[in-house]
Amino acid sequence: DQQVKQNSPSLSVQEGRISILNCDYTNSMFDYFLWYKKYPAEGPTFLISISSIKDKNEDGRFTVFLNKSAKHLSLHIVPSQPGDSAVYFCAAVPYGGATNKLIFGTGTLLAVQP
Amino acid sequence: DAGVTQSPTHLIKTRGQQVTLRCSPKSGHDTVSWYQQALGQGPQFIFQYYEEEERQRGNFPDRFSGHQFPNYSSELNVNALLLGDSALYLCASSTYNEQFFGPGTRLTVL
Repeated sequence: DQQVKQNSPSLSVQEGRISILNCDYTNSMFDYFLWYKKYPAEGPTFLISISSIKDKNEDGRFTVFLNKSAKHLSLHIVPSQPGDSAVYFCAAVPYGGATNKLIFGTGTLLAVQP
Repeated sequence: DAGVTQSPTHLIKTRGQQVTLRCSPKSGHDTVSWYQQALGQGPQFIFQYYEEEERQRGNFPDRFSGHQFPNYSSELNVNALLLGDSALYLCASSTYNEQFFGPGTRLTVL
């Protein structure tokens, strides 16, 4: 039962253009959402998050949009840089409880071409 | 600050053996979570330790067990290894929200 889905396994973008990574979820009981970036041989690194009560959060070149009615979120990277090439994971945290257990999607490999 | 460290980096075992993986959390962090990332998949939550107790557990069999020490470091133990246990095992430490991940231990079961 995949509660968080990233349907695009890969994405290729030209340097300077916008990268849009998508994520869908099936469970309405998520408190907030996060995006992580992962380089080979390294652990995932936190990028940006958004609370379920917001519809947009921006941090420099990274913006996350949340559409609760569609159970969809997206990460926009503008402008894309070659150093952004990595696997991007969408993750969700369920409401309540004492833990911040993360439920991850399967990831999207972003390749930014110079 | 060394961040989250894990050992060993790589490990090869055979079916039926037992393995212990280790994690040292980021300085100041008291909570440790373990995740399994199979090839082509996202990390899956195994369990979380806080104050030396298992606080929450994911959908993993009892062959997977853990421990947290008074200095907040943690171990993940897997008994009776199966081929399907081959994966990258990630440790994450946190205080409240943001989790910081270690580089992982690559376990190969032959």
